[in-house]
Amino acid sequence: EIVVTQSPDTLSLSPGERATLSCRASQSVSPSHLAWYQQKPGQAPRLLIFDTSRRATGIPDRFSGSGSGTDFTLTISRLEPEDFAVYYCQECGTSPPQTFGQGTKVEIK
Amino acid sequence: QVQLQESGPGLVKPSGTLSLTCSVSGGSISSTNWWSWIRQPPGKGLEWIGEIYHSGNTNYNPSLKSRVTISVDTSKNQFSLKLTSVTAADTAVYYCARVAPNSPFDYWGQGTLVTVSS
Repeated sequence: EIVVTQSPDTLSLSPGERATLSCRASQSVSPSHLAWYQQKPGQAPRLLIFDTSRRATGIPDRFSGSGSGTDFTLTISRLEPEDFAVYYCQECGTSPPQTFGQGTKVEIK
Repeated sequence: QVQLQESGPGLVKPSGTLSLTCSVSGGSISSTNWWSWIRQPPGKGLEWIGEIYHSGNTNYNPSLKSRVTISVDTSKNQFSLKLTSVTAADTAVYYCARVAPNSPFDYWGQGTLVTVSS
């Protein structure tokens, strides 16, 4: 089972700033097996990024993903008010159980 | 556009059985996808419970395996979750979701809160 760990737990930023979220896996992950989700209060998670860097349908281009091996990054180039949320990464290539990172909360500073 | 909708009791007594159903619309449950249950305790992260294929093949989280059964009804385009011997620790929002092999969860239900309390 691959374990993914996210950092930081909380990121305090202002609208317009750049957000950089980290996801580290316990062993090497195929680039096609790393995904990111956004979750707002009271809502289900929404797929943002798959295959490390591909945006899901309807996701604005201020969201980008990168990385390889065990280290992956989600970048939000300029934070909009609606981007303040919790973000989860997931390794989705190995056999079950599916696991998620513990989440990074992006909050307004 | 695929849509998923969870349904079931919002309150279950301790030691009882939690039962939820996920209804799938806009697509066939008999497609080449797996259908999952995921839960989220209040204020905490996401925990995968298990998944089912339309053939009835299942995979479960080892931490819950002894208490979980997931089943599918292709005639109704639904799949279901049963969790036995529940305690307060099972209080959570329960989501159903679609997943393709080696792919992320691309469609989610809105989630339903299940509280375990007497």
